[in-house]
Amino acid sequence: AQTVTQSQPEMSVQEAETVTLSCTYDTSENNYYLFWYKQPPSRQMILVIRQEAYKQQNATENRFSVNFQKAAKSFSLKISDSQLGDTAMYFCAFMAPGGGNKLTFGTGTQLKVEL
Amino acid sequence: EAGVAQSPRYKIIEKRQSVAFWCNPISGHATLYWYQQILGQGPKLLIQFQNNGVVDDSQLPKDRFSAERLKGVDSTLKIQPAKLEDSAVYLCASSLEISPSSYEQYFGPGTRLTVT
Repeated sequence: AQTVTQSQPEMSVQEAETVTLSCTYDTSENNYYLFWYKQPPSRQMILVIRQEAYKQQNATENRFSVNFQKAAKSFSLKISDSQLGDTAMYFCAFMAPGGGNKLTFGTGTQLKVEL
Repeated sequence: EAGVAQSPRYKIIEKRQSVAFWCNPISGHATLYWYQQILGQGPKLLIQFQNNGVVDDSQLPKDRFSAERLKGVDSTLKIQPAKLEDSAVYLCASSLEISPSSYEQYFGPGTRLTVT
């Protein structure tokens, strides 16, 4: 069974600064996908960024980028130029193809962007 | 394109009562998921449908929870009777197919259930 660990329950960052959220996972699979989801107070889960394990290049989506370390089973999210709208709960998630594409989530990190 | 729709958004019931949640996935999406998100935790998969067949219901408390997806489109999740520990947000998600090339899941706004 896969597990996802987010060791930072809460984080805060000043507007326009950079913040990094940590995530580690455990799996015996070689092919899998990793995701970061954002959940604002509206509760709608929004996909921020995805990474395929077979790709060595780290994924980037505008201000969001990841540092994927497959050997270390680490998948951190970096948010550059933080904006007030980035305030939300962030979940790291794991998916192994062939298992019905079930997502296994971490416990989340509450990020607060302050003026 | 319309997103995943869920109703109701909020529901308050007393323990031992029954409740039902409805989900309408994105048009054309064959796979539908129900997740339970307890406060302070990440979502946990309850049941997964591929069209109108169940793919995975290993985490569904079958003595009180049931779900169906008639005609492979809309889905209903029911709890009967509810317990205090069922208080949570129930999220519905859908994806185009079950294959790795179409794996992205799109989530609805969720239903917040409070059992008193």
